[in-house]
Amino acid sequence: GAGVSQSPSNKVTEKGKDVELRCDPISGHTALYWYRQRLGQGLEFLIYFQGNSAPDKSGLPSDRFSAERTGESVSTLTIQRTQQEDSAVYLCASSLAPLNTEAFFGQGTRLTVV
Amino acid sequence: KNQVEQSPQSLIILEGKNCTLQCNYTVSPFSNLRWYKQDTGRGPVSLTIMTFSENTKSNGRYTATLDADTKQSSLHITASQLSDSASYICVVTASGGSYIPTFGRGTSLIVHP
Repeated sequence: GAGVSQSPSNKVTEKGKDVELRCDPISGHTALYWYRQRLGQGLEFLIYFQGNSAPDKSGLPSDRFSAERTGESVSTLTIQRTQQEDSAVYLCASSLAPLNTEAFFGQGTRLTVV
Repeated sequence: KNQVEQSPQSLIILEGKNCTLQCNYTVSPFSNLRWYKQDTGRGPVSLTIMTFSENTKSNGRYTATLDADTKQSSLHITASQLSDSASYICVVTASGGSYIPTFGRGTSLIVHP
């Protein structure tokens, strides 16, 4: 596709349920990032994938959060046993490696935990 | 038509690295150019302002340059810090008339730990 695609665009889930968010990066982009943005807050780094290297998971807030990436394509971010504080916009970005090149963001998935 | 174009749209860099943001404009006649930093959910804060006769201006780790002939400006950030993560907006104001500023769309910068 022409840009980074995220789905769903909106997700409302009940507290305690699991959710899975999807990101399709720009073809050929080896770097993929997940960020979280709570209402009125800045972007919070979650996880970074670079090619076949081990991902940088240092930003994941708890073990309820996990992410996978298949090769250099689709990535999924999974949140287990969702809590109300998980409500946020989850943004995915991709870029050509290395860093310092332009990053392209998807439109985000707005997650609401009720 | 007065326009301000910024590039790149988004940039992710490692903490401690330098970066340069670009701004091209067609605003005429030119009065001044400002660079703003806007943190998410907050109002923009001016970093630098330059008039026609100024080529460069610094504000701490931020250095702005202006080439009035080519109608280009750049904002260079040295030794980036996590707090530099923000949107950087280029704003050009024309002289004469109502002095309404023309805003660029901004460059979203993320400094990666």
